[in-house]
Amino acid sequence: EAEVAQSPRYKITEKSQAVAFWCDPISGHATLYWYRQILGQGPELLVQFQDESVVDDSQLPKDRFSAERLKGVDSTLKIQPAELGDSAMYLCASSGRDRANSPLHFGNGTRLTVT
Amino acid sequence: GESVGLHLPTLSVQEGDNSIINCAYSNSASDYFIWYKQESGKGPQFIIDIRSNMDKRQGQRVTVLLNKTVKHLSLQIAATQPGDSAVYFCAWGSARQLTFGSGTQLTVLP
Repeated sequence: EAEVAQSPRYKITEKSQAVAFWCDPISGHATLYWYRQILGQGPELLVQFQDESVVDDSQLPKDRFSAERLKGVDSTLKIQPAELGDSAMYLCASSGRDRANSPLHFGNGTRLTVT
Repeated sequence: GESVGLHLPTLSVQEGDNSIINCAYSNSASDYFIWYKQESGKGPQFIIDIRSNMDKRQGQRVTVLLNKTVKHLSLQIAATQPGDSAVYFCAWGSARQLTFGSGTQLTVLP
């Protein structure tokens, strides 16, 4: 079964450093999402792409977070500088163009720890 | 290993019994609802979804019930197995965006 690939699996960084996470969605999936999940809570949307375009980044802290999906396939989420409160699981998800027949599929995430 | 949901509502059931996990959603305009299962250290895994024009949908060992009048969603798991132990999240929204609930930790007792 096709999967959403994410790397790295774990990342430990010091505050004020830069970090980047990578996501490769399921082949053919036009919509890509980055979510943040704090331990004990449900995922919260950070940014949503349709192909290479951002369709929703209203919850993305743009002073330190950035995301891109230049060719409409894989995507990178960056944090610079990282803060202690950024420690969380960062999940990538993708879905096909027809949501009725393509529910949102998640990768296994990147667990970020900021020290 | 790590545990997702240290302070989540919990449900403990005996192996072989049926489980019912409940969810109250907040947006009455939602037309799409979905349940995910999340095991420790992994991403959420799709279980079953339902659209607002339905009130019940069945899958393999799972049933989702939707009551739009009271904005309530439930997941029923038949003959619960040890592998069903996980955190279960409901989510609601539109074709373009989902909002997730806070999750329920299901523990299956031997």
